[in-house]
Amino acid sequence: AQKVTQAQTEISVVEKEDVTLDCVYETRDTTYYLFWYKQPPSGELVFLIRRNSFDEQNEISGRYSWNFQKSTSSFNFTITASQVVDSAVYFCALSGGNAGNMLTFGGGTRLMVKP
Amino acid sequence: DAGITQSPRHKVTETGTPVTLRCHQTENHRYMYWYRQDPGHGLRLIHYSYGVKDTDKGEVSDGYSVSRSKTEDFLLTLESATSSQTSVYFCAISQPGTQGEDEQFFGPGTRLTVL
Repeated sequence: AQKVTQAQTEISVVEKEDVTLDCVYETRDTTYYLFWYKQPPSGELVFLIRRNSFDEQNEISGRYSWNFQKSTSSFNFTITASQVVDSAVYFCALSGGNAGNMLTFGGGTRLMVKP
Repeated sequence: DAGITQSPRHKVTETGTPVTLRCHQTENHRYMYWYRQDPGHGLRLIHYSYGVKDTDKGEVSDGYSVSRSKTEDFLLTLESATSSQTSVYFCAISQPGTQGEDEQFFGPGTRLTVL
């Protein structure tokens, strides 16, 4: 069985602070994919990134960066110089290596960025 | 943005009544999914479809049925709604690669309240 844990249910920061959202996963698959989604207050789910289990390179996209470490089964997400518009619920998710495999989501982390 | 619509967007119904939610896509993606979102649980998979008339159960399928008679439409039916089915329902689509590299794109959600 697969499991995703986001231990931080809520984080509050002041604008321009850096913040890291933690994600720990469990899977028996040797091939798997990790995802992050953003859910702003408007409610839609926005895809941010996909990472496969064979690629442990960190990724940076603007103020966003992701740190994938298989040794600790973690896929953490860092926002640098946070902005009020970053306020949202962020979900980490996991899927197995079979085509069309379903996503297992973590419980989400609510990030509040205060001006 | 992926062409996914859900209808209705909001619905209030009474316990014991049947309810059908519709998901419509214009992307011709093979896979379609229904999730429910509840506080503290992230999103949980109800049912998914891997082609016309091909469906399977997810993690929380009890009390729900689905049908897919056309590629573009995926229906979720609550045969006899209960208060525990009050939730936000999301439809998702994906077009997987050969090794399961398939990010899912989500519809706007349907907020269902069962009184």
